[in-house]
Amino acid sequence: GQNIDQPTEMTATEGAIVQINCTYQTSGFNGLFWYQQHAGEAPTFLSYNVLDGLEEKGRFSSFLSRSKGYSYLLLKELQMKDSASYLCAVRGPGNYGQNFVFGPGTRLSVLP
Amino acid sequence: IAGITQAPTSQILAAGRRMTLRCTQDMRHNAMYWYRQDLGLGLRLIHYSNTAGTTGKGEVPDGYSVSRANTDDFPLTLASAVPSQTSVYFCASSDRAGDSYGYTFGSGTRLTVV
Repeated sequence: GQNIDQPTEMTATEGAIVQINCTYQTSGFNGLFWYQQHAGEAPTFLSYNVLDGLEEKGRFSSFLSRSKGYSYLLLKELQMKDSASYLCAVRGPGNYGQNFVFGPGTRLSVLP
Repeated sequence: IAGITQAPTSQILAAGRRMTLRCTQDMRHNAMYWYRQDLGLGLRLIHYSNTAGTTGKGEVPDGYSVSRANTDDFPLTLASAVPSQTSVYFCASSDRAGDSYGYTFGSGTRLTVV
């Protein structure tokens, strides 16, 4: 089976750092993605990890440990506009993306 | 058009009626997908198409059908809508299995079945 777990909700203060964790158990692995989704909008791509380690992209970083089935998204210097849901998704093997599995998402609220 | 266009944006539909949600992309992506998003359940795959002329069933295909007559269009049809199909529907596309960008999503269709 395939299962992805994320915390349901998190709250942080503007200017702070927040880490959103994702654990997964999937049959096969071909990359882990993080998406940002503002309320009422479509998910948009944030980051991609296929090898162990940290990928940094501006204020956002994503970490992957394949042996532990674990990833986190790190958001630095939080801004009010970072209030959104963050979706962890794992792509399994096979052609294209029909083996994508999405986690339930973590709703982040950034407070002034 | 830039990316994926979905129509309608929202719809209230009487139970038992037939409805087609439209999805068009202009990126020449080979693969397209339909997801539904429900609170607490995340995004769940309904149907997918890896290339024009082929389709496959996802996690929750019952009550839905799709077609892929060409690369750009991937309509989703509800033959006889039921209230449990009330959801937000997202169409998405991707290029290759090794693509590091994953999916591009449309803006969604909010469907309410009453």
